[in-house]
Amino acid sequence: GAVVSQHPSWVICKSGTSVKIECRSLDFQATTMFWYRQFPKQSLMLMATSNEGSKATYEQGVEKDKFLINHASLTLSTLTVTSAHPEDSSFYICSALQASSNQPQHFGDGTRLSIL
Amino acid sequence: SQKIEQNSEALNIQEGKTATLTCNYTNYSPAYLQWYRQDPGRGPVFLLLIRENEKEKRKERLKVTFDTTLKQSLFHITASQPADSATYLCALDVTGGGNKLTFGTGTQLKVEL
Repeated sequence: GAVVSQHPSWVICKSGTSVKIECRSLDFQATTMFWYRQFPKQSLMLMATSNEGSKATYEQGVEKDKFLINHASLTLSTLTVTSAHPEDSSFYICSALQASSNQPQHFGDGTRLSIL
Repeated sequence: SQKIEQNSEALNIQEGKTATLTCNYTNYSPAYLQWYRQDPGRGPVFLLLIRENEKEKRKERLKVTFDTTLKQSLFHITASQPADSATYLCALDVTGGGNKLTFGTGTQLKVEL
């Protein structure tokens, strides 16, 4: 089946640093990838939609300069949390849509981000 | 505003019984609805998709119904097992564009021996 790999699975860093999270589709090409954030006991909230080769589309209230998204290839999208602060601590999950198919989104296993 | 509501309280049932989870939505007419399973610290795993013109869909021990008049989907797990314990999320494409999902808050299911 379609596999989406997310790396790292968890990261702890100091306030003010930038953190990059990678999302890879391992066995299929993904024209579209999505980035979600999930706080404890809450549902997934869509942050942005990333299309290969074009700028990401951000949801209302999500700062595009703080959450930089790059989708440079059909198998890789990255999310960089710039100048991270404790309130950015959350569970970040990506998903990928297979190109030219009616398949549902395939999700990565998430990245637990803790900012001290 | 658009809302997707699932039972916020955890559902505890005995092994072997049927678990029934509810997803209600308002102010929207989705073309389809999806159900996912999420284990702690993991990403969601797709289970079933049901389209607006389908009343019921089955996959092994899972059954989903979709009532567009009531704006409700029911998710059933028959002959439940402790391994079915997880959080179950329903999701809709509220934009109608086909791919952008909005998730419910999820219902935590615990199947006890």
